[in-house]
Amino acid sequence: DIQLTQSPSFLSASVGDRVTITCRASQGISSYLAWYQQKPGKAPKLLIYAASTLQSGVPSRFSGSGSGTEFTLTISSLQPEDFATYYCQQLNSYPPSFGPGTKVDIK
Amino acid sequence: QLQLQESGPGLVKPSETLSLTCTVSGGSISSSSYYWGWIRQPPGKGLEWIGSIYYSGSTYYNPSLKSRVTISVDTSKNQFSLKLSSVTAADTAVYYCARALGSTVVTHNWFDPWGQGTLVTVSS
Repeated sequence: DIQLTQSPSFLSASVGDRVTITCRASQGISSYLAWYQQKPGKAPKLLIYAASTLQSGVPSRFSGSGSGTEFTLTISSLQPEDFATYYCQQLNSYPPSFGPGTKVDIK
Repeated sequence: QLQLQESGPGLVKPSETLSLTCTVSGGSISSSSYYWGWIRQPPGKGLEWIGSIYYSGSTYYNPSLKSRVTISVDTSKNQFSLKLSSVTAADTAVYYCARALGSTVVTHNWFDPWGQGTLVTVSS
C-alpha cells in the first residue's frame, strides 16, 4: 500500500498569510492526488484533483502542484473561513488512501 | 445539485452487523459512469476508504476490511448500502458516502460530493 505523509501536521497562521502544506507519497503516484478541506463536524470538501486542477467553485487562492512523490497545497492569502484540516488522497494505487491531515489554526 | 444522505442505526452492538444506506438525490445513481463510495473517520482521526461500487454493480473493497464488507446498489430507490459484519469498538466512526468520479479505474477517482456523515458507535 502507498503511504502518505503530510507536513506540518499542525500550523498556526494569521489571516493574509501564505500557507503551504506538503504531502509526500511512499512511491510515485504521477499526478493522481486530490486535496480536501474539512471543518469540524462537517464532511470533507474537494478542493483540488489531479494534483493541480481546482474544483469548480473553489476560490483561486487555493492551488496545488507536484507530481511523483511530492505535492503541495498552497493558500495564497489565508482567509478566516480557511481554518480547517486539510487531507491529501492518492488516487494512483489500490487501495486509495488519505494522508493523516494538516490542521490550520488561527495564530 | 447532487446530494447524498446517509441513514442507519447510530448504535450497534459488538459482533453484530453495521448497516447503512446512502440515498442519492438530484441525479440518478445509474445514469452515468460513476463509482459510489463509503469512507469512514474514527473520532479525532483520519479518513479511511472502505469501498466503492460501480453503477453497474461491480464492487471494490479495502483489503483491510474486505472479509467483513458488502456494498450493494438499489437503482430503483437511487440508493447504495454498506454492511460491515462482526463489528468491534474499532469500527466506531463517522461513516460518509460520496460519489467517486474521474475515471473508469476505481483507484483513479476523487470523491465529490460527500454526504454529511453519520456517527456509528459500537458498544454494548
